[in-house]
Amino acid sequence: KAGVTQTPRYLIKTRGQQVTLSCSPISGHRSVSWYQQTPGQGLQFLFEYFSETQRNKGNFPGRFSGRQFSNSRSEMNVSTLELGDSALYLCASSGLAGYDTQYFGPGTRLTVL
Amino acid sequence: AQSVTQLGSHVSVSEGALVLLRCNYSSSVPPYLFWYVQYPNQGLQLLLKYTSAATLVKGINGFEAEFKKSETSFHLTKPSAHMSDAAEYFCAVTRPDNTDKLIFGTGTRLQVFP
Repeated sequence: KAGVTQTPRYLIKTRGQQVTLSCSPISGHRSVSWYQQTPGQGLQFLFEYFSETQRNKGNFPGRFSGRQFSNSRSEMNVSTLELGDSALYLCASSGLAGYDTQYFGPGTRLTVL
Repeated sequence: AQSVTQLGSHVSVSEGALVLLRCNYSSSVPPYLFWYVQYPNQGLQLLLKYTSAATLVKGINGFEAEFKKSETSFHLTKPSAHMSDAAEYFCAVTRPDNTDKLIFGTGTRLQVFP
């Protein structure tokens, strides 16, 4: 079974721009969660989607948003990029929200200049 | 609320020595606990998980962890370190009724010397 895939793997943007990251979960998984990893703050939960609905949300500003499609693929969007948004963004999928282990993708490395 | 504390941001061992990475948790409800490993420029790989069944959990690559409620600990061990074990290790906690929101510790970087 193929794992979680994330595209692109690397991105370079400038302050003020917006960016969209994509995540394809493991086949059959319906829950997708997003995390931000930085050296200063570590791994922090952004949000989670299940059946196209946001079920959980972390403590991030409204510039961070996401969505999930009917095929369970998910995108996250960051608008008005700031230098502090430079991070590794990790996506994880699980089979049933509330019951299953999360499996992570390789991440998208975002650099904001 | 749940939280985890990983004692020691860096641990160094010799190849063949015991690996012990410490994790203490705080949870208002019986938790689920996880250990993940991250190799450079990669995502997180699940090593093992505790979901209220056996308190001694065996994972991949020879790692195991023991859930000790009295000590609120979930330390990760491996009897004999291998060079390939060098990586960053994360302990995480979640609520059984909300397993899609993992709360991670700050990580422990394991170095293995020949």
